[in-house]
Amino acid sequence: AQSVAQPEDQVNVAEGNPLTVKCTYSVSGNPYLFWYVQYPNRGLQFLLKYITGDNLVKGSYGFEAEFNKSQTSFHLKKPSALVSDSALYFCAVRDEGYGGSQGNLIFGKGTKLSVKP
Amino acid sequence: NAGVTQTPKFQVLKTGQSMTLQCAQDMNHNSMYWYRQDPGMGLRLIYYSASEGTTDKGEVPNGYNVSRLNKREFSLRLESAAPSQTSVYFCASRTEGDSTDTQYFGPGTRLTVL
Repeated sequence: AQSVAQPEDQVNVAEGNPLTVKCTYSVSGNPYLFWYVQYPNRGLQFLLKYITGDNLVKGSYGFEAEFNKSQTSFHLKKPSALVSDSALYFCAVRDEGYGGSQGNLIFGKGTKLSVKP
Repeated sequence: NAGVTQTPKFQVLKTGQSMTLQCAQDMNHNSMYWYRQDPGMGLRLIYYSASEGTTDKGEVPNGYNVSRLNKREFSLRLESAAPSQTSVYFCASRTEGDSTDTQYFGPGTRLTVL
């Protein structure tokens, strides 16, 4: 069965330092991977996705993610964190199922990122 | 272009009461979804609709029903609310196609069942 794991409930980073939010996945075929961000009391916003091609994917707000097939990982990164990056981050994989369920997303439990000044 | 809208934003129910959460999208998407978000659980899929006129169960459908009224609207109904249904509910719609595949989320409904 497909699954996504976010091993850290919370990540704490000082402003200006690089940040990494970890995600690992389990699928039987080629993965379609996504990162979403949720600011307090808001809905989820799309950040970036990996479908195929370059292993380094660039997204919104200066975020990027590195796809690593051998480690089955898709870690979210940013070279220099901002206090405004503090939010809940979700990794997701697209359902490989057939018919109507294909395209559904399977989410990780989320990682809370806290960036301190 | 409002994207995905949800009503109401907040609701308090007593156990056994019923209510319908409304969702609409103006992006002409075929697929729509209902999720619930609970602390430490991430988002879990309740029901989805791959196209107008079709609905299917997700991971946690018990206690819920849905209606895909037309292409724009997808409602979620709680027939007899229970405290375990206290949660934040999100509706989403999806663009299709490998290169454009993205789900767009509404602002959520925060539901408390007493």
